[in-house]
Amino acid sequence: DQQVKQNSPSLSVQEGRISILNCDYTNSMFDYFLWYKKYPAEGPTFLISISSIKDKNEDGRFTVFLNKSAKHLSLHIVPSQPGDSAVYFCAASDSLNAGNNRKLIWGLGTSLAVNP
Amino acid sequence: KAGVTQTPRYLIKTRGQQVTLSCSPISGHRSVSWYQQTPGQGLQFLFEYFSETQRNKGNFPGRFSGRQFSNSRSEMNVSTLELGDSALYLCASSVVEAGANVLTFGAGSRLTVL
Repeated sequence: DQQVKQNSPSLSVQEGRISILNCDYTNSMFDYFLWYKKYPAEGPTFLISISSIKDKNEDGRFTVFLNKSAKHLSLHIVPSQPGDSAVYFCAASDSLNAGNNRKLIWGLGTSLAVNP
Repeated sequence: KAGVTQTPRYLIKTRGQQVTLSCSPISGHRSVSWYQQTPGQGLQFLFEYFSETQRNKGNFPGRFSGRQFSNSRSEMNVSTLELGDSALYLCASSVVEAGANVLTFGAGSRLTVL
C-alpha cells in the first residue's frame, strides 16, 4: 500500500505558466516532506522540503504547500521553464526517523514536461 | 566537492549470477543508503549504513546485502539474481541539515538481468 501517492504520472505545462505537482500521504506520523527532481540518467536531486510545523516554504521559483488536515502537499513552480522538465518525487519521513534515519517513503513520481 | 560516485554505471547479468555495486559517498558524509528504482514501484529503500553498521533495512529478501567500509564507501551485493532484480540501484549519502536528512544521490547503477 502506497503511503505516499502522486496520483498524476505526468503533467504538461506551457513555459512561463505555473506547474502544480500534488502529493497525498496516509500516515499521520509523517512530519517532514521533501521534493526531489530527477533527470534521465541522473540520480534524484533535492529540491525543497517542509516541516509539518509550517504550511508553506518558498525557495525562488519553487514553493511547497502543506495541508496537514488533508494530508496533502503540493509543489508550485512559477514561472515554469523548459529546464524544469524532469520527474518529481515527493518523499516523507516520520518523527521517529527524522533525525537519525534515511528511510524516506517515496511517491512514484510525476513526469513534468514544460513546453517552450 | 565531488558528488556521490557509483560504479559500474551499467551492467548485464544472467539469472543465478551475483553482482556487487559500489558507492563512494560525499567526503564527510557517514551515512549511505541504497534504493532500488523500478518503473512500477518507484524508489524502494534497501538499507542504510552509518559508521560501518547497518542502521535500517527495507523489505527485501536476504539475497540483497550490503556493507560499509571504514572510509564510508559502501557496497551492495545481490546473489542468485532474478529477472525482477533488473532496476536502477541508487546510492545516497547524507548529513543532517536543519533537523532532517537531505540525501545526495549518485547517478545510479543500471542492472539488467537476462
